[in-house]
Amino acid sequence: EIVLTQSPGTLSLSPGERATLSCRASQSVSNGFLAWYQQKPGQTPRLLIYGASSRATGVPNRFSGSGSGTDFTLTISSLEPEDFAVYYCQQYGNSPPITFGQGTRLDLK
Amino acid sequence: QLQLRETGPGLVKPSETLALSCSVSDGSFDSSSHYWAWIRQPPGKGLEWIGSIDYSGKVYHNSSLRSRVAMSLDTSKNQFSLRLSSVTVADSAVYYCARQEGVYCSPFSCLNWFDTWGRGTLVTVSS
Repeated sequence: EIVLTQSPGTLSLSPGERATLSCRASQSVSNGFLAWYQQKPGQTPRLLIYGASSRATGVPNRFSGSGSGTDFTLTISSLEPEDFAVYYCQQYGNSPPITFGQGTRLDLK
Repeated sequence: QLQLRETGPGLVKPSETLALSCSVSDGSFDSSSHYWAWIRQPPGKGLEWIGSIDYSGKVYHNSSLRSRVAMSLDTSKNQFSLRLSSVTVADSAVYYCARQEGVYCSPFSCLNWFDTWGRGTLVTVSS
C-alpha cells in the first residue's frame, strides 16, 4: 500500500500570495497517477487535478499540479479568498487500495 | 449533470450492519469506463476509500475492511449499495458515494480519480 504524506499540515497565507502544497509517496506512483481535491468546511471534496497535472473541468488556471515518482506538488499561483480550504492528494497508480494523503489545511493569515 | 445521493440510517448500533444506497441521476451504469465508489471521512479527519464496483458487478475492496464490506449494483433502480457488517464506533463517519473514472489502467487496476461526489451522509455508530 502506498502511503501519501502531505506537507505542511497547515499553511497560513494571505490572498494574492502563492501556495505550494507537497504530497510525497512512500513508493513511486506509476504513470504519475495522482489527483488533488479541495474540501471546504461542510462540503464535498472537489476534484482539482488528475494525472498529476491535468486540471479538471471548470478549475481555474491558478491551480496547477506537477511532479512524478514520489514527489508531487499542487501550486495555487495567487490565492483568492475562496481557496482557503483543506487539500487532499490521492494516488491511483498502485491500486487497490486507493489511498489519500492526510490533508493540508490552507488558512487565511 | 450527473448527481449522486446517499440514503440510509444515520444511527447504527455496534455489531450491526450499516447499509447505504446511492442513487445515480442518469443511470450510467452501463459505462465500462466508470466505477462506482464509497469513501468515508470520520469527523474532523481525512478520506478513506472503502471500495469500488464496476458495471459488471466486480468489486474492489480496501483490504483493511474487506471481510466486512459488501457492494452491489442495481441497474433497474439506478443505484448501488454498501453494506458494512460488525460496525464499531470507529466506523462513525460521513459516507460519500462517488463516480470514479476508469479510463487509464495501471498494471494493477483501472481505478482512477473521483470526478463526481454525493453530498455525503453522516452515520453514527452508538448504542
